[in-house]
Amino acid sequence: GEDVEQSLFLSVREGDSSVINCTYTDSSSTYLYWYKQEPGAGLQLLTYIFSNMDMKQDQRLTVLLNKKDKHLSLRIADTQTGDSAIYFCAESFYGGATNKLIFGTGTLLAVQP
Amino acid sequence: EPEVTQTPSHQVTQMGQEVILRCVPISNHLYFYWYRQILGQKVEFLVSFYNNEISEKSEIFDDQFSVERPDGSNFTLKIRSTKLEDSAMYFCASAQGLAGVTDTQYFGPGTRLTVL
Repeated sequence: GEDVEQSLFLSVREGDSSVINCTYTDSSSTYLYWYKQEPGAGLQLLTYIFSNMDMKQDQRLTVLLNKKDKHLSLRIADTQTGDSAIYFCAESFYGGATNKLIFGTGTLLAVQP
Repeated sequence: EPEVTQTPSHQVTQMGQEVILRCVPISNHLYFYWYRQILGQKVEFLVSFYNNEISEKSEIFDDQFSVERPDGSNFTLKIRSTKLEDSAMYFCASAQGLAGVTDTQYFGPGTRLTVL
């Protein structure tokens, strides 16, 4: 069935790089997404990657996709305290007329000053 | 920048009462979604809506739930008789299209529903 898994917690020091990992089960997804959720807030789209790409860079964010291993990662360079949040990966499933997103468990990123 | 809005931000209701959660999707979007997140759990898909009808619904979306686009701007989720386990954050999302990057779903800030 559809399943997306992430590690639950990551702690880094300000200025270091953070790497958040995600594994998924369905290889038919066309797009994979990263969303950010700050405390008490909604889901903010951070970035996405098309499934025929291996890497996408967007300012401090780098997304790596390994389709063979069904592994997705998000690297945040020069992590700041404002990056502290829960990060969700999600894959998109086509349901006939619309797509639905299947979300991972979310990774809580704690940035220490 | 256009965004999805939701009202109210927090709704408290008694078990058995009806609630309507409201969403205003981004204006040129055609595909609409509801998701929910029970505290400490994953964000779960509830229902998708296109061309004035439900496209897909999850097992969670039983007869107590309904969605409607009553006019050209609002998209509502109604829960007829709320249960304690309906307490969650409910997110509305919209997408412009279905193919390529237009498939990207943009989320509202959520409505926290508390059922007492």
